[in-house]
Amino acid sequence: KAGVTQTPRYLIKTRGQQVTLSCSPISGHRSVSWYQQTPGQGLQFLFEYFSETQRNKGNFPGRFSGRQFSNSRSEMNVSTLELGDSALYLCASSSFVSGGRTDTQYFGPGTRLTVL
Amino acid sequence: AQKVTQAQTEISVVEKEDVTLDCVYETRDTTYYLFWYKQPPSGELVFLIRRNSFDEQNEISGRYSWNFQKSTSSFNFTITASQVVDSAVYFCALSDQNTGNQFYFGTGTSLTVIP
Repeated sequence: KAGVTQTPRYLIKTRGQQVTLSCSPISGHRSVSWYQQTPGQGLQFLFEYFSETQRNKGNFPGRFSGRQFSNSRSEMNVSTLELGDSALYLCASSSFVSGGRTDTQYFGPGTRLTVL
Repeated sequence: AQKVTQAQTEISVVEKEDVTLDCVYETRDTTYYLFWYKQPPSGELVFLIRRNSFDEQNEISGRYSWNFQKSTSSFNFTITASQVVDSAVYFCALSDQNTGNQFYFGTGTSLTVIP
């Protein structure tokens, strides 16, 4: 099976702009999660989508949003970019989870966003 | 609250030495899941192992082994006969029934294997 793919791999934006990142999960996986990785804060959970619905959300401002399509592909959007949004954004996919059980998450290569 | 602590920020070893990476976790749930991931310089997090809280059996996979001890809330990772290709940042992660697919990651341990 092909792994998780993310596009673009690198992105340079300026403050105030908005950006959209894309993630295609492993075939058959219906859950997609997003994480932000920075040297100062480490890996932080942004949100999770399952069946086109946001199921869980981390502690990030409303400028960070996402969505999931019927084919399980997901996008995340950051509006009004700030310098502090420079980070590696990682997407992870997992198969169906029920009853509180957690499945293993498989990560993509990430999108490295630089805000100037 | 859920928390993962990786006290070792950086470790350097000479090739062929054994090295143990420590991970201590906190959770109030009785059912939880622990993971180890490897992040090479390319940036992708590579899944290494998953452990369920109800399965304390230790595991060995080639040069890798994991020691899960609920009594000390630890899930340590040992690389035997380290190789240069083992150089990477290693992350321990936790999830439980309350958080589902929201993983809590430690701050990572950067391992450098010197040839």
